[in-house]
Amino acid sequence: EPEVTQTPSHQVTQMGQEVILRCVPISNHLYFYWYRQILGQKVEFLVSFYNNEISEKSEIFDDQFSVERPDGSNFTLKIRSTKLEDSAMYFCASMRDRGTGANVLTFGAGSRLTVL
Amino acid sequence: AQSVTQLGSHVSVSEGALVLLRCNYSSSVPPYLFWYVQYPNQGLQLLLKYTTGATLVKGINGFEAEFKKSETSFHLTKPSAHMSDAAEYFCAVSFPGATNKLIFGTGTLLAVQP
Repeated sequence: EPEVTQTPSHQVTQMGQEVILRCVPISNHLYFYWYRQILGQKVEFLVSFYNNEISEKSEIFDDQFSVERPDGSNFTLKIRSTKLEDSAMYFCASMRDRGTGANVLTFGAGSRLTVL
Repeated sequence: AQSVTQLGSHVSVSEGALVLLRCNYSSSVPPYLFWYVQYPNQGLQLLLKYTTGATLVKGINGFEAEFKKSETSFHLTKPSAHMSDAAEYFCAVSFPGATNKLIFGTGTLLAVQP
């Protein structure tokens, strides 16, 4: 069964460092997402991406965050200068198309980011 | 504002007992409703979803959920718990629109005792 893969599974970084989290969505999917889950809290929407541009972003997704799809397969989340509060599990998801009903997001296993 | 509330961050049941995980939502427009499950060290996997039509929805692994508009609820049930059901369960909503983003509840960790 097709799956969304994320790397790394766990990354430890120092505060102020740049981090790139990588995702390979399902190959025929067109919509891409990043979510995060701070330990003990709910899964929060960060950003959605379609047709090579951001379609929606949350208040969390400030200037420190960026996304891109550099080569048509990878979908990356970059945090420019990490803060302690960026420590969380980051989930990538993809969706085939919008269609006329509720389409299902397929999630990756997540990348755990620890900022020291 | 749209939101999802899951009552009970931890639920423990005995093997073979009924599983009931509660989810309520707040929305001014009819939502789409989902339950996702997360097993340890794995991603979020869709259990079931409700869009329109029949309000009782059956999903994988014997789970089902019933949409009750009057109660703004979408509780998840399974008649008989199995040890393999131990996981974290997330209720989520989305709405017709450009991005289909999901709004999640805080999750319920289900423990199954032998």
